[in-house]
Amino acid sequence: DTGVSQDPRHKITKRGQNVTFRCDPISEHNRLYWYRQTLGQGPEFLTYFQNEAQLEKSRLLSDRFSAERPKGSFSTLEIQRTEQGDSAMYLCASSLPAAGGNEQFFGPGTRLTVL
Amino acid sequence: KQEVTQIPAALSVPEGENLVLNCSFTDSAIYNLQWFRQDPGKGLTSLLLIQSSQREQTSGRLNASLDKSSGRSTLYIAASQPGDSATYLCARVSGTYKYIFGTGTRLKVLA
Repeated sequence: DTGVSQDPRHKITKRGQNVTFRCDPISEHNRLYWYRQTLGQGPEFLTYFQNEAQLEKSRLLSDRFSAERPKGSFSTLEIQRTEQGDSAMYLCASSLPAAGGNEQFFGPGTRLTVL
Repeated sequence: KQEVTQIPAALSVPEGENLVLNCSFTDSAIYNLQWFRQDPGKGLTSLLLIQSSQREQTSGRLNASLDKSSGRSTLYIAASQPGDSATYLCARVSGTYKYIFGTGTRLKVLA
């Protein structure tokens, strides 16, 4: 296991369709994070899991968005009824809790284009 | 609310120059500060992580410093190369989770 993986790497969809992204964290990392990055901006926090519990959700995560981590391992991020404004790079990160602060390791991202 | 600011937003330099990228943050209750590199359309590559008890970190031609009292971090790149061209992002880590990113500095090193 060499790092965080995300699937798919690219997704093109039509407005109104549902999409689901998957993130596989580094083995034994119990914390998992989702971020969204729009063009020309830095990534913005969406949500955070510790094991299977979703502990925080950003206001950016509208009711069309849902994230799960059912067994505390991989996570999915679903967007329902996609809108053009959802076009962005969706980044996943994972970490171990550490006394020095939990360094997050990022995946390659899933680029979503909504037509 | 912009909590992390990066200046300049874009920078173009000739090959070989030493350069400094700046990152400022408004919340002094910082835990860690991390610098990343991002190539166009790609994910994030971690460059340097400075824990709150540290003042600087070095890796090869890169040196990052952290001054919590002034709310600033700088990334120093020595002897820049065309391969250094990318967007550089800093992220503030507060508490035990949630990175707050700046908007990045787009660097272009001209051959």
